[in-house]
Amino acid sequence: LAKTTQPISMDSYEGQEVNITCSHNNIATNDYITWYQQFPSQGPRFIIQGYKTKVTNEVASLFIPADRKSSTLSLPRVSLSDTAVYYCLVGEGGSSNTGKLIFGQGTTLQVKP
Amino acid sequence: GAVVSQHPSRVICKSGTSVKIECRSLDFQATTMFWYRQFPKQSLMLMATSNEGSKATYEQGVEKDKFLINHASLTLSTLTVTSAHPEDSSFYICSANSGANTEAFFGQGTRLTVV
Repeated sequence: LAKTTQPISMDSYEGQEVNITCSHNNIATNDYITWYQQFPSQGPRFIIQGYKTKVTNEVASLFIPADRKSSTLSLPRVSLSDTAVYYCLVGEGGSSNTGKLIFGQGTTLQVKP
Repeated sequence: GAVVSQHPSRVICKSGTSVKIECRSLDFQATTMFWYRQFPKQSLMLMATSNEGSKATYEQGVEKDKFLINHASLTLSTLTVTSAHPEDSSFYICSANSGANTEAFFGQGTRLTVV
């Protein structure tokens, strides 16, 4: 499973857009990029997954450049409740997805009023 | 989305005793479940893969005799921390996928405190 690198922490203010970038230089051809959110004393929650270009859902957008060696999670207009740890993971997706996840250190996002 | 439930959410036990944590997939069947451990201000660490009807697969450095895993049905996996010590105090989390083409769903976690 490919190793990922993210900033350890980020600060933002309510209403701002937050972009968290993740590096995954050794991503394999079959690998998907998945982001999870974790609040204190809770299990992680799926945010978004993508393979290339751009993916958008009701919560976030995921931007993946052509070389796929990095990805950026974009959270529009964050609120205080978005304060959490965000994990970027890379691994086989689709029908090859075993469910096994190796977590990096994650990015602690602190949203301030 | 699919639901994975853990029980108990919190447990305090005395040193030397054993504690069982349950992980259930409520609305889907899971032939494979995963157990993670998370220490304060650290990331999740994969402990083992729980396989329905067969032995669990443990990650390097995880003692299989200390962390007993049983996956007797398609909706239930249990993790038993045997002869618990204060250093086993941690947040234990399980996960499962509802299908090969889906994301992982996590339980709410179990906070274990060994005194």
